[in-house]
Amino acid sequence: AAGVIQSPRHLIKEKRETATLKCYPIPRHDTVYWYQQGPGQDPQFLISFYEKMQSDKGSIPDRFSAQQFSDYHSELNMSSLELGDSALYFCASSPGTSNWDEQFFGPGTRLTVL
Amino acid sequence: AQTVTQSQPEMSVQEAETVTLSCTYDTSESDYYLFWYKQPPSRQMILVIRQEAYKQQNATENRFSVNFQKAAKSFSLKISDSQLGDAAMYFCAYRSPGGGSEKLVFGKGMKLTVNP
Repeated sequence: AAGVIQSPRHLIKEKRETATLKCYPIPRHDTVYWYQQGPGQDPQFLISFYEKMQSDKGSIPDRFSAQQFSDYHSELNMSSLELGDSALYFCASSPGTSNWDEQFFGPGTRLTVL
Repeated sequence: AQTVTQSQPEMSVQEAETVTLSCTYDTSESDYYLFWYKQPPSRQMILVIRQEAYKQQNATENRFSVNFQKAAKSFSLKISDSQLGDAAMYFCAYRSPGGGSEKLVFGKGMKLTVNP
């Protein structure tokens, strides 16, 4: 079965650089979530999209922005990177048809900021 | 805001034995969803089991079962016949009902070690 695809899987950036993380949801899933998991931490919700519109926003820094495109893939843009942005970034998708929908997680993008 | 608490940061269990992972949560909502996720060393987040708050019957998935106590706001996970592959971080998570706020709120996690 198709799974959530995230690219790249690993990314190394310098401070103050910009990074773009991509997420390709499972086909026919119209809801995408982004989570950030710091070292030894639990995943923290950043932002979500339903039918290409932002549906909820969590503790996402102003330096970050995201969007969902017409083909339902999503991109998380991160600017002015800081050392503290080093983390595992998960994308999850769900069908968006009921409250019971499971969120299917991608493998994550490991971002290292040097 | 909803909060999820996992008070035990680490536990260990002997292979083939049973272990119970605890989780409590705080919410003012009457309907919600609770989940247990497993995160092995690969860091992939894997759904283990889920429970709807309005269902009194405890969920069961093969060797995994929950003890859901709504009044006490407790949601523990029991793993029977523990296997080496069960070794992982386990996260308890809460999810509000729909309306655009379906994000998962996670506990801090608990590291389970399975000893052969």
